[in-house]
Amino acid sequence: DQQVKQNSPSLSVQEGRISILNCDYTNSMFDYFLWYKKYPAEGPTFLISISSIKDKNEDGRFTVFLNKSAKHLSLHIVPSQPGDSAVYFCATLPTSGTYKYIFGTGTRLKVLA
Amino acid sequence: NAGVTQTPKFQVLKTGQSMTLQCAQDMNHEYMSWYRQDPGMGLRLIHYSVGAGITDQGEVPNGYNVSRSTTEDFPLRLLSAAPSQTSVYFCASSYVQQETQYFGPGTRLLVL
Repeated sequence: DQQVKQNSPSLSVQEGRISILNCDYTNSMFDYFLWYKKYPAEGPTFLISISSIKDKNEDGRFTVFLNKSAKHLSLHIVPSQPGDSAVYFCATLPTSGTYKYIFGTGTRLKVLA
Repeated sequence: NAGVTQTPKFQVLKTGQSMTLQCAQDMNHEYMSWYRQDPGMGLRLIHYSVGAGITDQGEVPNGYNVSRSTTEDFPLRLLSAAPSQTSVYFCASSYVQQETQYFGPGTRLLVL
């Protein structure tokens, strides 16, 4: 059973508009969340993270929002650029003291010029 | 720094053959891990290590062995390859837990 779910396999957005990628999780004990971006034929690269003590974290055009009561996080990209076209994975580290990251299935974002 | 390197980039095996996927990092990271990526499944953790001499199982460890004799290297061994092990394999490392993981470029494995 998927503990981290990305229900949208793909998303298309016009250049300059906002991209919103969503991620749901099942376990309220999850306390650290990350987003990774992956281009074809490359390994994933870290994008942004958030701890459960926060509800928002920003880094330039990228903002991650965490809604603990809904067990939901989202990644906002504003403004979207063609170079943002990639697969985005959300991931969580369940509890401190473990190293068993759990990844979602990914959302393929296509930013149209 | 070369970062995380993986060899080979691509490999074709016959069912029953064995092989070792190599992973090395030059960042002095304590934590290293192996993932496989399959269509519609995301990245799934196979094995991980929190330091030289210490390894543990992830979500999908069956059919794979690992060892960590040095901080730099974390090879993944397939003992008897099966078609179900056809996948893209990624190695990753980080300084400590909750630090950013750095991923290698991946090894694409096809088992016939």
